[in-house]
Amino acid sequence: QSALTQPPSASGSPGQSVSISCTGTSSDVGGYNYVSWYQQHPGKAPKLLIYDVTKRPSGVPDRFSGFKSGNTASLTVSGLQADDEADYYCSSYTGNTNRLYVFGTGTTVTVL
Amino acid sequence: EVQLVESGGGLVKPGGSLRLSCAASGFTLSNTYMNWVRQAPGGGLEWVGLIKNNADRGTTVYAAPVKGRFTISRDDSRNTLYLQMNSLETGDTAVYYCVTEGVGTFNIWGQGTMVTVSS
Repeated sequence: QSALTQPPSASGSPGQSVSISCTGTSSDVGGYNYVSWYQQHPGKAPKLLIYDVTKRPSGVPDRFSGFKSGNTASLTVSGLQADDEADYYCSSYTGNTNRLYVFGTGTTVTVL
Repeated sequence: EVQLVESGGGLVKPGGSLRLSCAASGFTLSNTYMNWVRQAPGGGLEWVGLIKNNADRGTTVYAAPVKGRFTISRDDSRNTLYLQMNSLETGDTAVYYCVTEGVGTFNIWGQGTMVTVSS
């Protein structure tokens, strides 16, 4: 069971929007509504941005939004800001006890 | 404030052992599903394993690459989570994070502790 597939990089200018895809299979992304997104700045721990495909924890701006269709989930960051420059990872529950959760390959977002 | 602080990382030779600790504050570990997630240098995130809360009998589940070598446990009196790592391999080199789990998601992350397996 491989990692979920994300594009290696994405970029946008301040104020623009960027979307990141996360492609899995019917055994993970497509099979459960337990898709989450994490933001990781260099040298820091990941931070939860989105859970249950579309929900935002308190304190996360509504500029961050999630969506899923079939085996592909996506994260959109609207109104890009300099601090949005970071690595972004998706994850999905799989139900497979040998690998209960699988993460995406990660996407580096650059704010131009 | 909910906080997780890992410790115990370091340099160990292949075949060696190491025990990581994760001290929790602001909540009760025994009421929470807790996970370990690792990240190899320059690499992505990898789920290592979890321990369920007391209501679910503290059952543990491990990823295939570490099953039989790693053990997750908890000391409720110290509100501390542990990861005992035996028969370490160079591929286990990573930053190890302890993480609280909501249903299907990882909520709160510690700052991580670095484990280097090298001769």
